Amino acid sequence: KAGVTQTPRYLIKTRGQQVTLSCSPISGHRSVSWYQQTPGQGLQFLFEYFSETQRNKGNFPGRFSGRQFSNSRSEMNVSTLELGDSALYLCASSLKGQGVPANYGYTFGSGTRLTVV
Amino acid sequence: GDSVTQMEGPVTLSEEAFLTINCTYTATGYPSLFWYVQYPGEGLQLLLKATKADDKGSNKGFEATYRKETTSFHLEKGSVQVSDSAVYFCALPSGNTPLVFGKGTRLSVIA
Repeated sequence: KAGVTQTPRYLIKTRGQQVTLSCSPISGHRSVSWYQQTPGQGLQFLFEYFSETQRNKGNFPGRFSGRQFSNSRSEMNVSTLELGDSALYLCASSLKGQGVPANYGYTFGSGTRLTVV
Repeated sequence: GDSVTQMEGPVTLSEEAFLTINCTYTATGYPSLFWYVQYPGEGLQLLLKATKADDKGSNKGFEATYRKETTSFHLEKGSVQVSDSAVYFCALPSGNTPLVFGKGTRLSVIA
């Protein structure tokens, strides 16, 4: 079965612009979470969605937002881009919240590499 | 809050050498513990996991044992291959955060 699909794979944006990244989870997974990966800060949690509702949010400014659609696909948006937003953005999906143990685990996509110039 | 500390890399080994990557954690309670691997240009893949104390997770020749006494989950492999070259992350779920990751340890295996 298809894995987690993130589009686009690469993006180059200019400071001040906004960007939208997309994530399609594994079929049947209703939980989607997003992470930012940078060389300096490592992997940091952005937010988590379940059945179109944001369940948890990490410590990021309001410029970072997300949403989830009824088909469980998720998007994240970053407005007013800054150079420091350059990173690999990873999405993960899971059966969390669907009657499986919390230790079920997460499946990650290949990520979207965002470069802000 | 809960946290994970991994040994600093990079780690460079010759093929067939023994690998240990140290991971210690600070957590409330006894969360599940995970090792993820990231190959160049890719996302994270679940390598193995352990759900309770003394559990041993294993996959593809890698092993890690959940040690409650030492709050550790060290990753080991008896004989590494060039194809094992990647970045390895130790992780645990914490409160409202699905996964808290260590900083990652880069492994390079040379033939």
